[in-house]
Amino acid sequence: DVKVTQSSRYLVKRTGEKVFLECVQDMDHENMFWYRQDPGLGLRLIYFSYDVKMKEKGDIPEGYSVSREKKERFSLILESASTNQTSMYLCASSLAPLETSYEQYFGPGTRLTVT
Amino acid sequence: KQEVTQIPAALSVPEGENLVLNCSFTDSAIYNLQWFRQDPGKGLTSLLLIQSSQREQTSGRLNASLDKSSGRSTLYIAASQPGDSATYLCAVRLFPISNFGNEKLTFGTGTRLTIIP
Repeated sequence: DVKVTQSSRYLVKRTGEKVFLECVQDMDHENMFWYRQDPGLGLRLIYFSYDVKMKEKGDIPEGYSVSREKKERFSLILESASTNQTSMYLCASSLAPLETSYEQYFGPGTRLTVT
Repeated sequence: KQEVTQIPAALSVPEGENLVLNCSFTDSAIYNLQWFRQDPGKGLTSLLLIQSSQREQTSGRLNASLDKSSGRSTLYIAASQPGDSATYLCAVRLFPISNFGNEKLTFGTGTRLTIIP
């Protein structure tokens, strides 16, 4: 079974702090994704990566950056956390485009509160 | 721009009933559609994935259908149980347009299902 893990289930940070959210997958997937989920807005893609050191902006990249130094690990970075970044953050992974389904597998989520 | 709608936002049904959840999308040029389940405060669990060439997929008591031309998918749950209570999300993926494909999933906002014992 695919396993996607996220470093924290709950996180509380102060405004202005630098925040790192870590995601690790154990299935050698090429693609990894970061989403945020907010009531009434659903899931929105922040960034995705299709290879080590490669990244693409999603729908809402402002205020975020990402890092993918190793294939299994994809980090989301909030350079200076703000209260409007309080949200549920979900990581996902999938096989590369040559596969037919691109089915995404999700981690358990990190509930981030910025005070 | 692809938009995905799930109506109703919430649904309550008595245990044992069969039920249908709806998903509609505006751009019919989809590659596939995926149904997920999300329990409160948790991540997403993939239930079924239907390729654009398929009409339906089944897994246990779940059956998902796809009508691309009308921009609709349904998730049928047979003999509902209290453990089926969760939010159900559908997501569509557009057809790949490059070697890297179009990895973006567009999600609906979900239907929160409550099964009443």
